[in-house]
Amino acid sequence: DAGVIQSPRHEVTEMGQEVTLRCKPISGHNSLFWYRQTMMRGLELLIYFNNNVPIDDSGMPEDRFSAKMPNASFSTLKIQPSEPRDSAVYFCASSSHAGGEQYFGPGTRLTVT
Amino acid sequence: GQQVMQIPQYQHVQEGEDFTTYCNSSTTLSNIQWYKQRPGGHPVFLIQLVKSGEVKKQKRLTFQFGEAKKNSSLHITATQTTDVGTYFCAGGTSYGKLTFGQGTILTVHP
Repeated sequence: DAGVIQSPRHEVTEMGQEVTLRCKPISGHNSLFWYRQTMMRGLELLIYFNNNVPIDDSGMPEDRFSAKMPNASFSTLKIQPSEPRDSAVYFCASSSHAGGEQYFGPGTRLTVT
Repeated sequence: GQQVMQIPQYQHVQEGEDFTTYCNSSTTLSNIQWYKQRPGGHPVFLIQLVKSGEVKKQKRLTFQFGEAKKNSSLHITATQTTDVGTYFCAGGTSYGKLTFGQGTILTVHP
């Protein structure tokens, strides 16, 4: 069974550019989570979806960040325009049910110069 | 909002010594989960505790959930070099949101 799949694994971009991160959750899982990890702020929940519907987006830093889940097998996190302070590792995770264990993808390491 | 504090931030031990990390929540939790992240890796689920006062064991790892469901601990007996990594607790709500602690970075000297 494939785990959570994220792409790209690494992204280097210049300030002001649009960045799109992609996630494919584990088949059959109905909860999907986007996290950001930095040394300073640790592991922060950005947004999560239940049955493709955004439930809690209170962790989204600002309007430059947006997330979509058009179907049960795909989600995107977009940053437009990107800034150097957005540099971090972005993880996607999925769960078979609300409150259950979460399976994390390998992450996308984003560097904004 | 909910806050989850975890201590210590770092722990260095000699192989064979014990290790404990503690987790405290500002609010009563529905459940608590523990994850381990190896250097350069992603968080991996270890266990979930749901009941007040619950204790669970996984080989050398012992997990406890406090009576008030606001604190938890992870204890590793006789650490090994394979235990190296960052251990996170995460406080859970009934609707699925997890708030992660800052993590405890464990290094084990052979």
